[in-house]
Amino acid sequence: DAGVTQSPTHLIKTRGQHVTLRCSPISGHKSVSWYQQVLGQGPQFIFQYYEKEERGRGNFPDRFSARQFPNYSSELNVNALLLGDSALYLCASSLGSLSGGEETQYFGPGTRLLVL
Amino acid sequence: LAKTTQPISMDSYEGQEVNITCSHNNIATNDYITWYQQFPSQGPRFIIQGYKTKVTNEVASLFIPADRKSSTLSLPRVSLSDTAVYYCLVPYSGAGSYQLTFGKGTKLSVIP
Repeated sequence: DAGVTQSPTHLIKTRGQHVTLRCSPISGHKSVSWYQQVLGQGPQFIFQYYEKEERGRGNFPDRFSARQFPNYSSELNVNALLLGDSALYLCASSLGSLSGGEETQYFGPGTRLLVL
Repeated sequence: LAKTTQPISMDSYEGQEVNITCSHNNIATNDYITWYQQFPSQGPRFIIQGYKTKVTNEVASLFIPADRKSSTLSLPRVSLSDTAVYYCLVPYSGAGSYQLTFGKGTKLSVIP
């Protein structure tokens, strides 16, 4: 079975530009979450989507937005890029059934974004 | 959100068993404990998850005492390829969302 896939793998942008990152979840998974990981730190939660609805949002500015499509794939958009947005952006998928705390998230390989 | 505390780093020789202990003093009744492994520039890889007592799979064991305020990840006979950062997490599953709050993890270095 294919795991979580993300595209592109690497991206270079300049300050002020906009970026769109894409994620395809594991087949059968209905929930997608996005995380940002700055070098040397653990991943930080940005968004979670389930059945095309936003289910959770982390402490990130409004420049960050996301959406989920009917096929459960997802896009993360970041506007007005700042140097500090340089990071590894991770997508994780899960069943989304929220069976207590037993839900398990599976991560993709990430997209490495460099903002110059 | 249940916070977790784990050692920043550990060293081990190849072939030894490694135990990484995590404390989560304010874990809630319904919370599970989850461990991930991460290599540089890769996404975290799910290792094991448990609620109480002992859970074992093909790569690790997870020991959780009765009070559930701590847990220990046990990696049998580590090899150089086990050098990675290991994260202990108590996922937040309230208010309609499911979130993983990562700390800095434990950097395990396996020495030949």
